[in-house]
Amino acid sequence: AQRVTQPEKLLSVFKGAPVELKCNYSYSGSPELFWYVQYSRQRLQLLLRHISRESIKGFTADLNKGETSFHLKKPFAQEEDSAMYYCALHSGGYNKLIFGAGTRLAVHP
Amino acid sequence: EPEVTQTPSHQVTQMGQEVILRCVPISNHLYFYWYRQILGQKVEFLVSFYNNEISEKSEIFDDQFSVERPDGSNFTLKIRSTKLEDSAMYFCASSDWGGSYNEQFFGPGTRLTVL
Repeated sequence: AQRVTQPEKLLSVFKGAPVELKCNYSYSGSPELFWYVQYSRQRLQLLLRHISRESIKGFTADLNKGETSFHLKKPFAQEEDSAMYYCALHSGGYNKLIFGAGTRLAVHP
Repeated sequence: EPEVTQTPSHQVTQMGQEVILRCVPISNHLYFYWYRQILGQKVEFLVSFYNNEISEKSEIFDDQFSVERPDGSNFTLKIRSTKLEDSAMYFCASSDWGGSYNEQFFGPGTRLTVL
Protein backbone atom coordinates (compact mmCIF):
# COMPACT_ATOMS: atom_id res chain seq x y z
CA ALA A 1 0.00 0.00 0.00
CA GLN A 2 1.12 3.53 -0.69
CA ARG A 3 1.48 5.43 2.52
CA VAL A 4 3.30 8.40 4.06
CA THR A 5 3.97 8.48 7.78
CA GLN A 6 4.95 11.52 9.78
CA PRO A 7 5.30 10.24 13.31
CA GLU A 8 5.42 13.59 15.11
CA LYS A 9 2.34 15.78 15.35
CA LEU A 10 4.29 18.57 17.00
CA LEU A 11 7.95 19.46 17.07
CA SER A 12 8.86 22.27 19.41
CA VAL A 13 12.36 23.80 19.33
CA PHE A 14 14.15 26.99 20.26
CA LYS A 15 15.47 29.43 17.70
CA GLY A 16 18.88 28.39 16.45
CA ALA A 17 18.39 24.71 17.26
CA PRO A 18 18.61 22.03 14.56
CA VAL A 19 15.38 20.64 13.22
CA GLU A 20 14.55 17.28 11.71
CA LEU A 21 11.00 16.50 10.63
CA LYS A 22 10.61 12.82 9.96
CA CYS A 23 8.88 11.27 6.98
CA ASN A 24 8.70 7.61 6.04
CA TYR A 25 6.99 6.21 3.02
CA SER A 26 5.70 2.96 1.64
CA TYR A 27 5.76 2.63 -2.14
CA SER A 28 6.53 -0.26 -4.43
CA GLY A 29 8.08 1.71 -7.27
CA SER A 30 10.62 4.49 -7.48
CA PRO A 31 9.26 7.18 -5.14
CA GLU A 32 8.81 10.83 -5.96
CA LEU A 33 8.62 12.84 -2.77
CA PHE A 34 7.82 16.41 -1.81
CA TRP A 35 7.63 18.59 1.24
CA TYR A 36 4.76 21.08 1.36
CA VAL A 37 4.45 23.82 3.98
CA GLN A 38 1.46 25.73 5.28
CA TYR A 39 2.19 28.92 7.21
CA SER A 40 -0.48 30.33 9.48
CA ARG A 41 -3.54 31.42 7.48
CA GLN A 42 -1.81 30.72 4.19
CA ARG A 43 -2.24 28.07 1.56
CA LEU A 44 -0.27 24.86 1.09
CA GLN A 45 2.84 25.55 -0.93
CA LEU A 46 5.68 23.46 -2.21
CA LEU A 47 8.84 23.69 -0.14
CA LEU A 48 11.04 21.24 -1.98
CA ARG A 49 11.05 18.08 -4.05
CA HIS A 50 13.59 15.32 -3.80
CA ILE A 51 14.50 15.28 -7.47
CA SER A 52 15.77 18.86 -7.29
CA ARG A 53 18.23 18.16 -4.48
CA GLU A 54 17.96 21.82 -3.58
CA SER A 55 18.01 23.80 -0.37
CA ILE A 56 15.05 26.09 0.16
CA LYS A 57 14.99 28.52 3.10
CA GLY A 58 17.85 26.50 4.55
CA PHE A 59 15.87 23.25 4.48
CA THR A 60 17.16 20.10 2.81
CA ALA A 61 15.74 16.61 2.46
CA ASP A 62 17.52 13.49 1.31
CA LEU A 63 15.78 10.45 -0.04
CA ASN A 64 17.01 7.30 1.70
CA LYS A 65 15.59 4.34 -0.18
CA GLY A 66 17.09 1.83 2.22
CA GLU A 67 15.27 3.35 5.16
CA THR A 68 12.33 4.53 3.00
CA SER A 69 12.70 7.98 4.50
CA PHE A 70 12.67 11.57 3.33
CA HIS A 71 13.39 13.58 6.46
CA LEU A 72 13.40 17.37 6.33
CA LYS A 73 16.32 19.08 8.04
CA LYS A 74 17.49 22.55 8.88
CA PRO A 75 20.61 23.23 10.92
CA PHE A 76 19.39 26.43 12.61
CA ALA A 77 15.67 26.98 13.03
CA GLN A 78 14.17 30.47 12.75
CA GLU A 79 10.92 31.72 14.26
CA GLU A 80 9.52 32.27 10.77
CA ASP A 81 9.87 28.52 10.13
CA SER A 82 6.93 27.90 12.44
CA ALA A 83 4.31 26.21 10.25
CA MET A 84 2.64 22.93 9.36
CA TYR A 85 4.85 20.68 7.25
CA TYR A 86 3.47 17.90 5.08
CA CYS A 87 5.44 15.17 3.40
CA ALA A 88 3.80 13.96 0.18
CA LEU A 89 4.33 11.06 -2.19
CA HIS A 90 3.45 11.19 -5.85
CA SER A 91 1.67 7.95 -6.54
CA GLY A 92 2.16 7.74 -10.27
CA GLY A 93 -0.57 8.09 -12.81
CA TYR A 94 -2.13 11.51 -12.96
CA ASN A 95 -0.20 13.22 -10.20
CA LYS A 96 -2.20 12.11 -7.22
CA LEU A 97 -0.39 13.21 -4.08
CA ILE A 98 -0.55 11.11 -0.93
CA PHE A 99 0.03 13.23 2.13
CA GLY A 100 1.29 12.43 5.56
CA ALA A 101 -0.61 13.66 8.59
CA GLY A 102 1.66 16.67 8.94
CA THR A 103 3.99 17.94 11.65
CA ARG A 104 3.52 21.27 13.30
CA LEU A 105 6.87 22.95 13.84
CA ALA A 106 6.91 25.55 16.59
CA VAL A 107 10.10 27.61 16.89
CA HIS A 108 10.32 29.56 20.13
CA PRO A 109 12.46 32.68 20.69
CA GLU B 1 2.09 35.95 -9.14
CA PRO B 2 -0.91 33.93 -10.35
CA GLU B 3 -2.79 32.01 -7.69
CA VAL B 4 -5.55 29.45 -7.47
CA THR B 5 -8.67 31.01 -6.00
CA GLN B 6 -11.61 29.31 -4.31
CA THR B 7 -15.08 30.49 -3.38
CA PRO B 8 -16.70 30.59 -0.96
CA SER B 9 -14.17 30.53 1.86
CA HIS B 10 -16.79 29.02 4.17
CA GLN B 11 -20.01 27.24 3.27
CA VAL B 12 -22.59 26.10 5.78
CA THR B 13 -25.32 23.78 4.58
CA GLN B 14 -27.97 21.44 5.88
CA MET B 15 -27.57 17.69 5.55
CA GLY B 16 -29.06 16.47 2.29
CA GLN B 17 -28.56 19.75 0.46
CA GLU B 18 -26.46 20.13 -2.68
CA VAL B 19 -23.35 22.28 -2.59
CA ILE B 20 -21.06 23.53 -5.31
CA LEU B 21 -17.54 24.55 -4.45
CA ARG B 22 -15.83 26.74 -6.99
CA CYS B 23 -12.22 27.07 -8.01
CA VAL B 24 -10.41 29.18 -10.57
CA PRO B 25 -7.14 27.43 -11.42
CA ILE B 26 -4.07 29.23 -12.71
CA SER B 27 -4.91 30.23 -16.26
CA ASN B 28 -2.38 28.23 -18.29
CA HIS B 29 -2.68 25.08 -16.18
CA LEU B 30 -4.13 21.92 -17.66
CA TYR B 31 -4.42 19.54 -14.70
CA PHE B 32 -6.85 20.10 -11.88
CA TYR B 33 -7.41 18.41 -8.56
CA TRP B 34 -9.62 18.36 -5.50
CA TYR B 35 -8.40 17.29 -2.09
CA ARG B 36 -10.12 17.41 1.26
CA GLN B 37 -8.98 17.54 4.87
CA ILE B 38 -11.32 16.53 7.65
CA LEU B 39 -10.43 18.38 10.84
CA GLY B 40 -7.46 16.73 12.51
CA GLN B 41 -6.88 14.29 9.66
CA LYS B 42 -4.72 14.01 6.56
CA VAL B 43 -5.13 15.86 3.32
CA GLU B 44 -6.79 13.27 1.06
CA PHE B 45 -6.94 13.12 -2.71
CA LEU B 46 -10.43 13.17 -4.20
CA VAL B 47 -10.13 13.52 -7.96
CA SER B 48 -7.91 14.67 -10.81
CA PHE B 49 -9.20 16.17 -14.05
CA TYR B 50 -7.55 16.65 -17.41
CA ASN B 51 -8.80 17.34 -20.91
CA ASN B 52 -12.36 17.71 -19.65
CA GLU B 53 -12.59 14.34 -18.03
CA ILE B 54 -11.77 12.66 -14.76
CA SER B 55 -8.35 11.03 -14.95
CA GLU B 56 -8.33 9.47 -11.51
CA LYS B 57 -10.60 9.37 -8.48
CA SER B 58 -10.36 8.00 -4.99
CA GLU B 59 -12.73 5.71 -3.13
CA ILE B 60 -14.08 8.78 -1.36
CA PHE B 61 -15.27 10.23 -4.67
CA ASP B 62 -18.51 8.29 -4.95
CA ASP B 63 -21.65 9.00 -6.93
CA GLN B 64 -22.51 11.92 -4.67
CA PHE B 65 -19.55 13.84 -6.04
CA SER B 66 -19.03 15.32 -9.47
CA VAL B 67 -16.62 17.76 -11.07
CA GLU B 68 -16.99 20.06 -13.98
CA ARG B 69 -15.13 22.71 -15.89
CA PRO B 70 -18.14 24.54 -17.27
CA ASP B 71 -16.58 27.55 -18.93
CA GLY B 72 -12.87 27.05 -19.41
CA SER B 73 -11.91 28.93 -16.28
CA ASN B 74 -13.93 27.62 -13.34
CA PHE B 75 -13.46 24.13 -11.93
CA THR B 76 -16.28 23.02 -9.66
CA LEU B 77 -16.87 20.26 -7.17
CA LYS B 78 -20.50 19.35 -6.56
CA ILE B 79 -21.75 17.28 -3.68
CA ARG B 80 -25.26 16.18 -4.53
CA SER B 81 -26.63 15.33 -1.11
CA THR B 82 -24.34 16.35 1.70
CA LYS B 83 -23.74 14.20 4.75
CA LEU B 84 -22.40 15.21 8.14
CA GLU B 85 -19.14 13.43 7.33
CA ASP B 86 -18.60 15.67 4.30
CA SER B 87 -17.70 18.48 6.69
CA ALA B 88 -14.08 19.27 5.82
CA MET B 89 -11.72 21.73 4.21
CA TYR B 90 -11.75 21.28 0.44
CA PHE B 91 -8.67 22.29 -1.51
CA CYS B 92 -8.46 22.82 -5.23
CA ALA B 93 -5.08 22.53 -6.95
CA SER B 94 -3.74 22.88 -10.47
CA SER B 95 -0.55 22.12 -12.34
CA ASP B 96 0.68 23.06 -15.76
CA TRP B 97 1.72 19.63 -16.95
CA GLY B 98 1.46 16.05 -15.94
CA GLY B 99 5.06 15.30 -15.08
CA SER B 100 5.71 13.42 -11.90
CA TYR B 101 7.81 16.12 -10.30
CA ASN B 102 5.57 18.94 -11.22
CA GLU B 103 4.38 21.31 -8.53
CA GLN B 104 0.72 21.43 -7.67
CA PHE B 105 -0.47 24.90 -6.74
CA PHE B 106 -3.13 24.92 -4.06
CA GLY B 107 -6.00 27.26 -3.40
CA PRO B 108 -6.75 28.62 0.07
CA GLY B 109 -9.53 26.10 0.61
CA THR B 110 -13.28 26.14 1.27
CA ARG B 111 -14.43 25.10 4.70
CA LEU B 112 -17.64 23.11 4.33
CA THR B 113 -19.79 22.66 7.41
CA VAL B 114 -22.73 20.28 7.15
CA LEU B 115 -25.33 20.63 9.92
